[in-house]
Amino acid sequence: DAGVTQSPTHLIKTRGQQVTLRCSPKSGHDTVSWYQQALGQGPQFIFQYYEEEERQRGNFPDRFSGHQFPNYSSELNVNALLLGDSALYLCASSRVEGSYEQYFGPGTRLTVT
Amino acid sequence: KNEVEQSPQNLTAQEGEFITINCSYSVGISALHWLQQHPGGGIVSLFMLSSGKKKHGRLIATINIQEKHSSLHITASHPRDSAVYICAVTPYMDSNYQLIWGAGTKLIIKP
Repeated sequence: DAGVTQSPTHLIKTRGQQVTLRCSPKSGHDTVSWYQQALGQGPQFIFQYYEEEERQRGNFPDRFSGHQFPNYSSELNVNALLLGDSALYLCASSRVEGSYEQYFGPGTRLTVT
Repeated sequence: KNEVEQSPQNLTAQEGEFITINCSYSVGISALHWLQQHPGGGIVSLFMLSSGKKKHGRLIATINIQEKHSSLHITASHPRDSAVYICAVTPYMDSNYQLIWGAGTKLIIKP
């Protein structure tokens, strides 16, 4: 049983570009949350998707958008990249019914130059 | 005051020592999570607790719901245990789905 997977592992982009990060949840999970972790900081909640809709959003600008597909996988899109968007982007999956346990993926390291 | 507080912030110990990391929280919770993050790495879920005690290998996690306190113990610590250990809670609010994070405890185990 595969856990949470994320792709790509590492990514380098230039200011102003757009990026798409991908997450596949653990088997049986239907909810995906995205977090941004800047170097030396704790994770910051970006948003959570359930039933293909954004269920809750943290304090991030509209440049950050997401999508959830019928197979529960999810994408995080960031437009007009800024240097400050350089961070580790973490995806966590969970199941709405029964358990509050969140499983984390290995993360995508995004560097904006 | 942060809703989730961890202590100590930093901990350095010798290989083989018994390690305790503490977490206190001030909100009602549905669950408490202990997570591990190695330098430059992703986050690994160690435990999810809503009551009592859980054990996995050399790791033990306990929670006291009445006192709003949890501890993570590492027995026979090893240099590979060196990492940041994070306590996070799922708040008991239907409309809040995000974790509330502690600041983390940086653990260094010296050989």
